[in-house]
Amino acid sequence: AQSVAQPEDQVNVAEGNPLTVKCTYSVSGNPYLFWYVQYPNRGLQFLLKYITGDNLVKGSYGFEAEFNKSQTSFHLKKPSALVSDSALYFCAVRNNNNDMRFGAGTRLTVKP
Amino acid sequence: SAVISQKPSRDICQRGTSLTIQCQVDSQVTMMFWYRQQPGQSLTLIATANQGSEATYESGFVIDKFPISRPNLTFSTLTVSNMSPEDSSIYLCSVAGGSGTEAFFGQGTRLTVV
Repeated sequence: AQSVAQPEDQVNVAEGNPLTVKCTYSVSGNPYLFWYVQYPNRGLQFLLKYITGDNLVKGSYGFEAEFNKSQTSFHLKKPSALVSDSALYFCAVRNNNNDMRFGAGTRLTVKP
Repeated sequence: SAVISQKPSRDICQRGTSLTIQCQVDSQVTMMFWYRQQPGQSLTLIATANQGSEATYESGFVIDKFPISRPNLTFSTLTVSNMSPEDSSIYLCSVAGGSGTEAFFGQGTRLTVV
């Protein structure tokens, strides 16, 4: 079965600094990888996805992610963090049955 | 994209009772999914609900506890039966298109069982 792992429960960065939220994957075949964000008391919002093509994927709110096949990673990045980026971030993989399998989540805190 | 409406958005229920959560989508979709998100944790798939067939449940979830209906391509319900405090969670409805497309989520139902 497909799976993803997020090795960090918590990431803290200062506003204006670059941020990275890590994700590694384990799939058979071609991976369909996704990032979602969850703000307090809100549902999940789609940020970006990798299906095929360029390894650097750009998404919403200035986020991007780099697909690295040799390292089986799909890290989420942003060049300059905002306080409003503070939220819970989930990496996900599309399963063979088309449902989503989620990582444990990483809580990002951006401090002013 | 798809717009998903979930009802209720939150509820506080007595143990031993049941709650039915509704999920309405603004377009016809083949695949609908129900997830549970326990406090501070990730999303766990409960079941896949496809129209015209019985729901497929993941390990650890059973139909008697979480009966699901899928009467048409835009609507589904999840019932949490005989509730206990351990059922306190956020329950989310999700829809997805074909392989390689992203999934969309409702706002969730925050359930507290007392």
